Amino acid sequence: QAQLVESGGGLVTPGGSLRLSCAASGFTFSDYYMNWVRQAPGKGLEWISYISIDTTYTNYADSVRGRFTIFRDNAKNSLYLQMNSLRAEDTAVYYCARDRATPVTSTAGDGIDVWGQGTTVTVSS
Amino acid sequence: EIVMTQSPATLSVSPGEGATLSCRASQSVSSNLAWYQQKPGQPPRLLVHGASTRATGVPARVSGSGSGTEFTLTISSLQSEDSAIYYCQQYNNWPQTFGQGTKVEIK
Repeated sequence: QAQLVESGGGLVTPGGSLRLSCAASGFTFSDYYMNWVRQAPGKGLEWISYISIDTTYTNYADSVRGRFTIFRDNAKNSLYLQMNSLRAEDTAVYYCARDRATPVTSTAGDGIDVWGQGTTVTVSS
Repeated sequence: EIVMTQSPATLSVSPGEGATLSCRASQSVSSNLAWYQQKPGQPPRLLVHGASTRATGVPARVSGSGSGTEFTLTISSLQSEDSAIYYCQQYNNWPQTFGQGTKVEIK
């Protein structure tokens, strides 16, 4: 079955950088649009980034735009999130998430049908 | 940004009873709305997309309705396994936005 496994989380000081990875299996990764969604401790869900199948389209939440970069390697069935200039408020569990969108989707995605277990990022001095 | 507001914040229900969760959008999202269930320590699980289409494997006692700005998730015959936080999400406009969640407790 479809599976997403995140890695790369950890403790980083404010202003530091971290790269998250997500390994996909059980489905044709190159056929799917992908997201990163995060959840701060005890808080709700926050969508932060989206990438198209061919990487020509990306989008970001205002809270991370200019600091985070989403990219993918379809040959490696992997999704990434490069996080720079990290702040305390970036502390969260980060989920890799598969979107139901297709090339004919005209909306902001089409719902998220597969989620990874998440990787924890802690930004603290 | 479209703001999603869920009510109530917490719902306490006896086993076998039904529950109705509400989600309101600050502007129309057509039917581009999903519902998720999240249990402690787990990632969210997709329950409904397109406002009313159940995801694969979701039991028929879970149903979604609504369009525009008002949406409802109804769970009938609640069981202990339904204890969780439920989130709505709009994907009509960027950025995708989630509601703050409704916690369902089983008495």
